[in-house]
Parts: sequence; C-alpha cells; structure tokens
Amino acid sequence: DAGVTQSPTHLIKTRGQHVTLRCSPISGHKSVSWYQQVLGQGPQFIFQYYEKEERGRGNFPDRFSARQFPNYSSELNVNALLLGDSALYLCASSLEPGRGEAFFGQGTRLTVV
Amino acid sequence: RKEVEQDPGPFNVPEGATVAFNCTYSNSASQSFFWYRQDCRKEPKLLMSVYSSGNEDGRFTAQLNRASQYISLLIRDSKLSDSATYLCAVNVRGGGATNKLIFGTGTLLAVQP
Repeated sequence: DAGVTQSPTHLIKTRGQHVTLRCSPISGHKSVSWYQQVLGQGPQFIFQYYEKEERGRGNFPDRFSARQFPNYSSELNVNALLLGDSALYLCASSLEPGRGEAFFGQGTRLTVV
Repeated sequence: RKEVEQDPGPFNVPEGATVAFNCTYSNSASQSFFWYRQDCRKEPKLLMSVYSSGNEDGRFTAQLNRASQYISLLIRDSKLSDSATYLCAVNVRGGGATNKLIFGTGTLLAVQP
C-alpha cells in the first residue's frame, strides 16, 4: 500500500510568487492536515480537511489556503511568498479527525529566495 | 508558555545506555498522545501512540501521566540507529470540529559508539 505522497519534493520560488503543494493520503483515509516545519522547531498546524470541508485552521495568514478533492487528495496554496515561508511543508493523513494515528508524507521543502 | 514542551537536548549517550525523554503539555483537554521519530531532513514517523496504561514496543516504553500532564519515552539498550530527533505530539480538539496535533520542538538523541 502506498503511504502519503506529496509533490513536489523540493521547490525554489522567488518572493511574491505563488506556490501549490499537493498531497495524496493513504487509501481509506479521509482526513488531511497540513503542517509547516521550520528548522529547529516541531511541525506547526496549518489546516485540517475532512470530507472536502475545512475543519480547522492554525495561526497562519490568509495568504495560505487549501482545499480537498472528492478523492481526498489535497492542495495547499501560498500566495505572495515571503522569505519566512521557507520551510518543510508536511501533509498528514488520518482516518478521521482525531481518530487513529496521523501519518506524514515525505514533505515538500520550499525555499523562497 | 508553549502548549507542548520538550527538552531540546542534545542527549549524547553511549551505545547500550538507557535514555528517557519527558514532554509536558498544558491543555487538559488533550485527547491522545504520540511519539514521533524524525531523521535529519526527513518527515516525522510515528513511533508509538501513548496510552494511559503505558505501552511497550520492544526497547521502547511510553507512559502517560494525565494528572501531571506529561508523557515520557524510555529507550533501553540504545543503538546507533536510534540517533534522531524525537517529537512528542498531543492531539487537541479545538474550536468547532478541529482536531490538531500540537508538537514539541523535539529532543535530539545522539548515540555514540
């Protein structure tokens, strides 16, 4: 069985640009959450989606948005990139929000220059 | 005060040693608890869920103390391959239907030959 897959694995963008990150959850998992991890810190919660609806949002600006598709895959969009958005973006898959463990994809390493 | 706190380490231990990590959390509504292992520049991988009764998986033992709001991870007979960052994570039900993982900053373990 495939685990959580994310694409792309690495990305370099310029300040002010827009980026779209993609995630496919484990088969049978309906909940996808996005996290941002900067060097030396634990992952920080950005969004949670379940059954195509946003279930929660962390303390991130409106430049961050996401959506979930009927097949439960998800996209994270970040507009007007800032240098401080450089981080590892992680997608976590779980059966349902709060039920069972969460499993992470390999992440997308975003560098903003 | 951070919602989840860990000693960042590093913990430098010789092979074969026993090492213990503690993690404290501030939200008494926390529902479930986990330890993740993260290798350098990789995604967090679930090591263990933590149950009130305590649980063991080989050389790893996890404990939860709800009264004192801390969780612990004990690693016996440390191996070189145990060198990694250990993240504790707490699942918190937030406003609405949000369930999110709150992570500590991680504890770096370096097992020396």
